[in-house]
Amino acid sequence: EVHLVESGGVVVQPGGSLRLSCAASGFTFDDYAMNWVRRAPGKGLEWVALVSWDGKDSYYADSVKGRFTISRDNSKNSLFLQINSLRAEDSAFYYCAKGETVAPSFFDFWGQGTLVTVSS
Amino acid sequence: QLVLTQPPSASASLGASVKLTCTLSSGHSNYAIAWHQQQPEKGPRCLLKINSDGSHIRGDGIPARFSGSSSGAERYLVISSLQSEDEADYYCQTWATGIQLFGGGTKLTVL
Repeated sequence: EVHLVESGGVVVQPGGSLRLSCAASGFTFDDYAMNWVRRAPGKGLEWVALVSWDGKDSYYADSVKGRFTISRDNSKNSLFLQINSLRAEDSAFYYCAKGETVAPSFFDFWGQGTLVTVSS
Repeated sequence: QLVLTQPPSASASLGASVKLTCTLSSGHSNYAIAWHQQQPEKGPRCLLKINSDGSHIRGDGIPARFSGSSSGAERYLVISSLQSEDEADYYCQTWATGIQLFGGGTKLTVL
């Protein structure tokens, strides 16, 4: 059974940084692309970033380019999101989502999310 | 530009059926999409993937009362025998190299 468990969400001041983690189990982690998606209060789902199966390629939404970095450690079945220069509009639940294949595709499994609140 | 458009709200009665629509932008009518459900206070879950020919596959553990179809640039999610737990937000998703995209979501109210 596929499990994705996010952690690292906290209350942080504007301009601060944090690192989110996603622990994966129940599938061969390095066979799939992985993603981060967020949902801000009162808004819809917003894709944030994608990393290829081997970690060599990454893609970002325009809204986070230059501030967010997605990475993975296949030896630990873990996905990460480094977030710098936090803004109020980054406040959201952050979800990790498994790609359906090694290539860009839809998300077939999701985690329960971790909450990031940016506030002074 | 690749865009997905969804009506913001829909409603239907308990036990009835409802058809939700996701429209692909001009020039992208051959794209596959996926439908995701997000119930209150929960993470999203994948319901199904729909190809441009209307063929679809359900997500893990998704019951047969969730089905999909396609017509031109429109992709549909049909939910039959509506239950109270179907009251949720529904999102369509598509993808291309280097980008993933969601529609704005449809909030479904079960009356």
